[in-house]
Amino acid sequence: KQEVTQIPAALSVPEGENLVLNCSFTDSAIYNLQWFRQDPGKGLTSLLLIQSSQREQTSGRLNASLDKSSGRSTLYIAASQPGDSATYLCAYRSNDYKLSFGAGTTVTVRA
Amino acid sequence: ETGVTQSPTHLIKTRGQQVTLRCSSQSGHNTVSWYQQALGQGPQFIFQYYREEENGRGNFPPRFSGLQFPNYSSELNVNALELDDSALYLCASSPEGVNIQYFGAGTRLSVL
Repeated sequence: KQEVTQIPAALSVPEGENLVLNCSFTDSAIYNLQWFRQDPGKGLTSLLLIQSSQREQTSGRLNASLDKSSGRSTLYIAASQPGDSATYLCAYRSNDYKLSFGAGTTVTVRA
Repeated sequence: ETGVTQSPTHLIKTRGQQVTLRCSSQSGHNTVSWYQQALGQGPQFIFQYYREEENGRGNFPPRFSGLQFPNYSSELNVNALELDDSALYLCASSPEGVNIQYFGAGTRLSVL
């Protein structure tokens, strides 16, 4: 059962372009939603966490929005840089504490 | 730096063997969760421990088992290894009352 869907699966953009990564989920009773970054073969780095009562969170060039009613979250990365190349995962936490992850969007920023 | 350390970083086993993966969390992190991430997929929840008791489990067979110790370390044990067990295993911990999970760098397990 696919609980979290991330589209697109891969994305390649020239440096300086803005990135838009989409995440959709089927569980309406989420506790929070989190965006992670994963470099090849490495662990997860938390980027932004949005509580279920919030609409968005911002950190530097990153902005994440959450629409619980439609089951969607979007991660925006402004003015992309080659160092932003990585896989970006979204995950929601439900009341049973576990995180449910999407398969990720692999981003390549070309210099 | 999350303060969550996993060992070993890489491991190679053969089918049918048993393996133990270790995770060390920060002091006060009473909750630890383990995830399996197959190549090209998102992490899948295996189980969670709170104060040394299992309090949640995903769709994994009983040959996946765990332990949590009073010193904030934990183990994931997998018996009768299968080829499909090849994956990155991630440990994540949380302090009491905090709903953020801090992830370790993972252990890459290869089953031949």
